[in-house]
Amino acid sequence: GAVVSQHPSWVICKSGTSVKIECRSLDFQATTMFWYRQFPKQSLMLMATSNEGSKATYEQGVEKDKFLINHASLTLSTLTVTSAHPEDSSFYICSFPVGGLHNEQFFGPGTRLTVL
Amino acid sequence: GEDVEQSLFLSVREGDSSVINCTYTDSSSTYLYWYKQEPGAGLQLLTYIFSNMDMKQDQRLTVLLNKKDKHLSLRIADTQTGDSAIYFCAETGSGTYKYIFGTGTRLKVLA
Repeated sequence: GAVVSQHPSWVICKSGTSVKIECRSLDFQATTMFWYRQFPKQSLMLMATSNEGSKATYEQGVEKDKFLINHASLTLSTLTVTSAHPEDSSFYICSFPVGGLHNEQFFGPGTRLTVL
Repeated sequence: GEDVEQSLFLSVREGDSSVINCTYTDSSSTYLYWYKQEPGAGLQLLTYIFSNMDMKQDQRLTVLLNKKDKHLSLRIADTQTGDSAIYFCAETGSGTYKYIFGTGTRLKVLA
Protein backbone atom coordinates (compact mmCIF):
# COMPACT_ATOMS: atom_id res chain seq x y z
CA GLY A 1 0.00 0.00 0.00
CA ALA A 2 0.89 3.66 -0.25
CA VAL A 3 3.34 5.01 2.30
CA VAL A 4 2.85 8.24 4.20
CA SER A 5 5.57 9.81 6.31
CA GLN A 6 5.42 12.61 8.85
CA HIS A 7 8.23 14.74 10.17
CA PRO A 8 9.04 15.22 12.93
CA SER A 9 7.64 12.23 14.77
CA TRP A 10 7.70 14.21 18.00
CA VAL A 11 8.49 17.76 18.95
CA ILE A 12 8.69 19.73 22.17
CA CYS A 13 8.52 23.50 21.97
CA LYS A 14 8.11 26.52 24.19
CA SER A 15 4.84 28.34 24.45
CA GLY A 16 4.57 31.09 21.85
CA THR A 17 6.71 29.45 19.21
CA SER A 18 5.51 28.03 15.90
CA VAL A 19 5.94 24.43 14.83
CA LYS A 20 5.77 23.01 11.31
CA ILE A 21 4.76 19.42 10.67
CA GLU A 22 5.34 17.83 7.27
CA CYS A 23 3.28 15.10 5.69
CA ARG A 24 4.63 13.35 2.61
CA SER A 25 3.19 10.66 0.42
CA LEU A 26 6.14 8.61 -0.76
CA ASP A 27 4.70 6.72 -3.67
CA PHE A 28 1.42 8.41 -4.44
CA GLN A 29 0.33 11.81 -5.65
CA ALA A 30 -2.56 13.37 -3.80
CA THR A 31 -4.53 16.49 -4.61
CA THR A 32 -6.23 16.15 -1.23
CA MET A 33 -4.84 15.41 2.20
CA PHE A 34 -6.49 15.41 5.61
CA TRP A 35 -5.19 16.60 8.96
CA TYR A 36 -6.50 15.05 12.16
CA ARG A 37 -5.90 15.75 15.81
CA GLN A 38 -6.01 13.06 18.46
CA PHE A 39 -6.16 13.86 22.16
CA PRO A 40 -4.93 11.24 24.64
CA LYS A 41 -7.32 8.31 24.85
CA GLN A 42 -9.70 10.04 22.47
CA SER A 43 -10.75 9.71 18.89
CA LEU A 44 -9.33 11.37 15.82
CA MET A 45 -10.98 14.65 14.99
CA LEU A 46 -10.76 15.98 11.45
CA MET A 47 -9.23 19.45 11.51
CA ALA A 48 -9.02 20.39 7.88
CA THR A 49 -8.85 19.21 4.30
CA SER A 50 -5.72 20.27 2.45
CA ASN A 51 -6.16 20.94 -1.25
CA GLU A 52 -3.18 21.14 -3.60
CA GLY A 53 -2.86 24.57 -5.13
CA SER A 54 -5.74 26.11 -3.21
CA LYS A 55 -6.81 27.06 0.28
CA ALA A 56 -7.49 24.43 2.87
CA THR A 57 -11.00 23.78 4.13
CA TYR A 58 -11.28 23.90 7.90
CA GLU A 59 -13.78 22.10 10.10
CA GLN A 60 -16.04 24.06 12.35
CA GLY A 61 -14.26 25.27 15.46
CA VAL A 62 -10.74 24.98 14.01
CA GLU A 63 -8.92 28.31 13.80
CA LYS A 64 -7.42 28.69 10.35
CA ASP A 65 -5.02 31.40 11.51
CA LYS A 66 -3.82 29.11 14.28
CA PHE A 67 -3.32 26.03 12.15
CA LEU A 68 -1.82 27.05 8.83
CA ILE A 69 -1.96 24.43 6.11
CA ASN A 70 0.03 24.52 2.89
CA HIS A 71 -0.39 21.85 0.23
CA ALA A 72 2.44 22.97 -2.01
CA SER A 73 2.77 19.86 -4.14
CA LEU A 74 1.05 16.59 -4.86
CA THR A 75 3.30 14.80 -2.36
CA LEU A 76 3.70 17.32 0.46
CA SER A 77 1.34 19.04 2.86
CA THR A 78 2.46 21.02 5.91
CA LEU A 79 0.64 22.00 9.08
CA THR A 80 2.06 24.92 11.05
CA VAL A 81 0.84 25.44 14.59
CA THR A 82 1.38 29.15 15.16
CA SER A 83 2.05 30.68 18.57
CA ALA A 84 1.63 27.30 20.17
CA HIS A 85 0.20 26.98 23.68
CA PRO A 86 0.02 24.00 26.04
CA GLU A 87 -3.55 23.28 24.99
CA ASP A 88 -2.26 22.66 21.45
CA SER A 89 -0.32 19.67 22.75
CA SER A 90 -1.71 16.69 20.89
CA PHE A 91 -1.04 13.96 18.36
CA TYR A 92 -1.41 15.23 14.79
CA ILE A 93 -2.03 12.75 12.01
CA CYS A 94 -2.26 13.29 8.27
CA SER A 95 -3.88 11.07 5.71
CA PHE A 96 -4.71 11.02 2.07
CA PRO A 97 -7.42 9.24 0.14
CA VAL A 98 -6.36 6.59 -2.29
CA GLY A 99 -9.67 6.17 -4.02
CA GLY A 100 -10.87 2.74 -4.88
CA LEU A 101 -14.26 1.30 -4.23
CA HIS A 102 -14.31 1.88 -0.51
CA ASN A 103 -12.99 5.40 0.03
CA GLU A 104 -9.84 4.20 1.75
CA GLN A 105 -7.36 6.60 3.32
CA PHE A 106 -3.71 5.99 4.14
CA PHE A 107 -2.54 7.48 7.40
CA GLY A 108 0.79 8.88 8.47
CA PRO A 109 2.43 7.67 11.69
CA GLY A 110 1.56 10.89 13.47
CA THR A 111 3.48 13.71 15.16
CA ARG A 112 3.33 14.20 18.90
CA LEU A 113 3.50 17.86 19.83
CA THR A 114 4.20 18.90 23.40
CA VAL A 115 4.08 22.61 24.21
CA LEU A 116 5.69 23.62 27.47
CA GLY B 1 -24.09 15.72 14.09
CA GLU B 2 -22.88 12.21 13.43
CA ASP B 3 -21.59 10.26 16.38
CA VAL B 4 -19.69 6.96 16.65
CA GLU B 5 -19.32 5.24 20.02
CA GLN B 6 -17.17 2.40 21.24
CA SER B 7 -16.38 0.87 24.61
CA LEU B 8 -13.00 2.05 25.84
CA PHE B 9 -11.32 -1.14 27.00
CA LEU B 10 -11.34 -4.86 26.34
CA SER B 11 -9.13 -7.49 27.89
CA VAL B 12 -8.97 -11.09 26.66
CA ARG B 13 -6.73 -14.10 27.09
CA GLU B 14 -4.50 -15.24 24.27
CA GLY B 15 -6.30 -17.76 22.07
CA ASP B 16 -9.77 -16.49 22.98
CA SER B 17 -12.00 -14.51 20.62
CA SER B 18 -12.32 -10.75 20.95
CA VAL B 19 -15.43 -8.83 20.03
CA ILE B 20 -15.22 -5.07 19.69
CA ASN B 21 -18.48 -3.17 19.30
CA CYS B 22 -19.34 0.12 17.68
CA THR B 23 -22.57 2.10 17.34
CA TYR B 24 -23.16 4.98 14.98
CA THR B 25 -25.91 7.45 14.32
CA ASP B 26 -25.54 8.40 10.66
CA SER B 27 -28.18 6.49 8.72
CA SER B 28 -26.58 7.50 5.41
CA SER B 29 -23.29 5.74 6.17
CA THR B 30 -22.03 3.95 3.11
CA TYR B 31 -18.75 2.45 4.23
CA LEU B 32 -17.76 1.31 7.68
CA TYR B 33 -14.16 0.55 8.59
CA TRP B 34 -12.07 -0.99 11.29
CA TYR B 35 -8.60 0.49 11.83
CA LYS B 36 -5.84 -0.67 14.14
CA GLN B 37 -3.46 1.75 15.83
CA GLU B 38 -0.31 0.47 17.50
CA PRO B 39 1.85 2.71 19.70
CA GLY B 40 3.82 5.21 17.63
CA ALA B 41 2.32 4.00 14.39
CA GLY B 42 -0.29 5.26 11.98
CA LEU B 43 -3.71 3.76 11.55
CA GLN B 44 -3.78 0.53 9.63
CA LEU B 45 -6.91 -0.49 7.76
CA LEU B 46 -7.98 -3.95 8.91
CA THR B 47 -11.18 -4.37 7.00
CA TYR B 48 -14.24 -2.54 5.77
CA ILE B 49 -17.83 -3.35 5.00
CA PHE B 50 -20.26 -1.79 2.61
CA SER B 51 -23.54 -0.74 4.17
CA ASN B 52 -25.62 -3.20 2.14
CA MET B 53 -23.71 -6.16 3.60
CA ASP B 54 -24.47 -7.99 6.85
CA MET B 55 -21.23 -9.81 7.32
CA LYS B 56 -17.71 -9.95 5.99
CA GLN B 57 -15.04 -12.47 6.90
CA ASP B 58 -11.33 -12.04 6.29
CA GLN B 59 -9.11 -14.71 7.84
CA ARG B 60 -9.33 -14.22 11.62
CA LEU B 61 -11.54 -11.15 11.30
CA THR B 62 -15.33 -11.18 11.08
CA VAL B 63 -17.31 -7.98 10.71
CA LEU B 64 -21.03 -7.96 11.49
CA LEU B 65 -23.28 -5.06 10.55
CA ASN B 66 -26.78 -4.52 11.88
CA LYS B 67 -27.93 -1.56 9.87
CA LYS B 68 -31.31 -1.38 11.60
CA ASP B 69 -29.67 -0.93 15.00
CA LYS B 70 -26.68 0.93 13.54
CA HIS B 71 -24.36 -1.52 15.24
CA LEU B 72 -21.02 -2.75 13.92
CA SER B 73 -18.78 -5.37 15.49
CA LEU B 74 -15.34 -6.79 14.87
CA ARG B 75 -14.58 -10.32 15.99
CA ILE B 76 -10.97 -11.43 16.15
CA ALA B 77 -10.62 -15.20 16.38
CA ASP B 78 -7.68 -16.79 18.20
CA THR B 79 -6.52 -13.44 19.57
CA GLN B 80 -2.74 -13.09 19.83
CA THR B 81 -0.54 -10.76 21.88
CA GLY B 82 0.31 -8.94 18.65
CA ASP B 83 -3.34 -7.95 18.39
CA SER B 84 -2.96 -5.67 21.41
CA ALA B 85 -3.66 -2.19 20.08
CA ILE B 86 -6.37 0.45 19.84
CA TYR B 87 -9.13 -0.36 17.39
CA PHE B 88 -11.17 2.39 15.77
CA CYS B 89 -14.34 2.03 13.82
CA ALA B 90 -15.09 4.75 11.29
CA GLU B 91 -17.83 5.55 8.87
CA THR B 92 -18.20 7.66 5.80
CA GLY B 93 -20.94 8.48 3.35
CA SER B 94 -21.15 8.06 -0.38
CA GLY B 95 -19.14 10.55 -2.40
CA THR B 96 -17.07 11.81 0.50
CA TYR B 97 -13.75 10.93 2.07
CA LYS B 98 -14.69 12.49 5.38
CA TYR B 99 -14.37 9.90 8.10
CA ILE B 100 -16.15 10.00 11.43
CA PHE B 101 -14.10 7.99 13.89
CA GLY B 102 -15.25 6.17 16.97
CA THR B 103 -13.66 6.79 20.34
CA GLY B 104 -11.40 3.75 20.01
CA THR B 105 -11.25 0.51 22.00
CA ARG B 106 -8.01 -0.44 23.68
CA LEU B 107 -7.57 -4.22 23.38
CA LYS B 108 -5.21 -5.89 25.79
CA VAL B 109 -4.32 -9.53 25.19
CA LEU B 110 -3.09 -11.43 28.21
CA ALA B 111 -0.60 -14.25 27.68
